[in-house]
Amino acid sequence: AQSVSQHNHHVILSEAASLELGCNYSYGGTVNLFWYVQYPGQHLQLLLKYFSGDPLVKGIKGFEAEFIKSKFSFNLRKPSVQWSDTAEYFCAVSRIIQGAQKLVFGQGTRLTINP
Amino acid sequence: EAGVTQSPTHLIKTRGQQATLRCSPISGHTSVYWYQQALGLGLQFLLWYDEGEERNRGNFPPRFSGRQFPNYSSELNVNALELEDSALYLCASLSPPGYNQPQHFGDGTRLSIL
Repeated sequence: AQSVSQHNHHVILSEAASLELGCNYSYGGTVNLFWYVQYPGQHLQLLLKYFSGDPLVKGIKGFEAEFIKSKFSFNLRKPSVQWSDTAEYFCAVSRIIQGAQKLVFGQGTRLTINP
Repeated sequence: EAGVTQSPTHLIKTRGQQATLRCSPISGHTSVYWYQQALGLGLQFLLWYDEGEERNRGNFPPRFSGRQFPNYSSELNVNALELEDSALYLCASLSPPGYNQPQHFGDGTRLSIL
């Protein structure tokens, strides 16, 4: 069965530290990849997405992610985090079934940034 | 553009009761997805509706059901509520044809079972 694994359940960093959140998936076919963010008390928002082309994807708020096909990975990075990045981050993988999108989420990583 | 709207924001029920949650997708979106976000379990796919039909369902018992109306809004019904049904239920919508498009999420309905 297709699955998405986020290795870190809770990450605590200080402001200005660099961030990398891991995401691995098990599906071997063509996939689309997403990172969503859920700020406290807010709805899920799209951070960035990969469909094809350059495997290094840039998203909003200085985030980027790299798709490494050979490793089935799509890790999220940010060179210097801010207190406002405190949120829960979800990696998601989609595939096309019967002409439409099926999305599978990882379990999420809670990121806490200390000022 | 109005986002995905869900109602109610919070729903409190007791064991054995039935709950109905509602979702209105973004205008022009025809696919609606329902997810359960339980504490410590991440987002679990529940149901997917497209063009008024149930296209797929996740690994949930039949007491979780729903429907999609002609205006593409959707209802999620949970019968015979159990304590472990307490969770945030998220609805997401997607524009046709669904290829290479991100899902847009609502704020969710928090269902609490007492």
